[in-house]
Amino acid sequence: GNSVTQMEGPVTLSEEAFLTINCTYTATGYPSLFWYVQYPGEGLQLLLKATKADDKGSNKGFEATYRKETTSFHLEKGSVQVSDSAVYFCALINFNKFYFGSGTKLNVKP
Amino acid sequence: GAVVSQHPSWVICKSGTSVKIECRSLDFQATTMFWYRQFPKQSLMLMATSNEGSKATYEQGVEKDKFLINHASLTLSTLTVTSAHPEDSSFYICSARLGLAGSTDTQYFGPGTRLTVL
Repeated sequence: GNSVTQMEGPVTLSEEAFLTINCTYTATGYPSLFWYVQYPGEGLQLLLKATKADDKGSNKGFEATYRKETTSFHLEKGSVQVSDSAVYFCALINFNKFYFGSGTKLNVKP
Repeated sequence: GAVVSQHPSWVICKSGTSVKIECRSLDFQATTMFWYRQFPKQSLMLMATSNEGSKATYEQGVEKDKFLINHASLTLSTLTVTSAHPEDSSFYICSARLGLAGSTDTQYFGPGTRLTVL
């Protein structure tokens, strides 16, 4: 079947620290992989995506690489800001259906 | 970019009553809309897929008679929670997929509706 597993939060970092949020997946076929961000009181927003193996998605300083050999799509950012505090969801889409991870809350302290 | 709205953003109702949630694509036509449910600290779970002009397809374990979905136009889908009970309290999120002109994996999410059943 299809599923996404991501690290439990919350993750608390100081401003300018390096961020990694782990995400692994199980899927049949060739899914596309996504990271969505949910700010307090708002809906999910697409952060980045990758559609095939070895693709790197990037946006707003965040990046993630589609690793088929390790079935992973870890999210990274070199220097986080307070404004990055949000919940991050890893997801895959397969046969037009989304499967989401449980979300990782990130708290960035000034 | 494409915008999806939901109304209301939050609702409190008494047990046994019905609640309707609207999902609108504001600047594009959505042939397909999706309804998700999100419990605290958990992921979004797909409830149903709604295609304009046809019956919704429900995921396994979702009661179609309890969660009525109507997709009467290319810009509006509604979810009605019938005879709501406290266990139905949750965050309901819709998403809309662009029509034929867009990528098949491009879904835009609404801001969600917080339902609290007393």
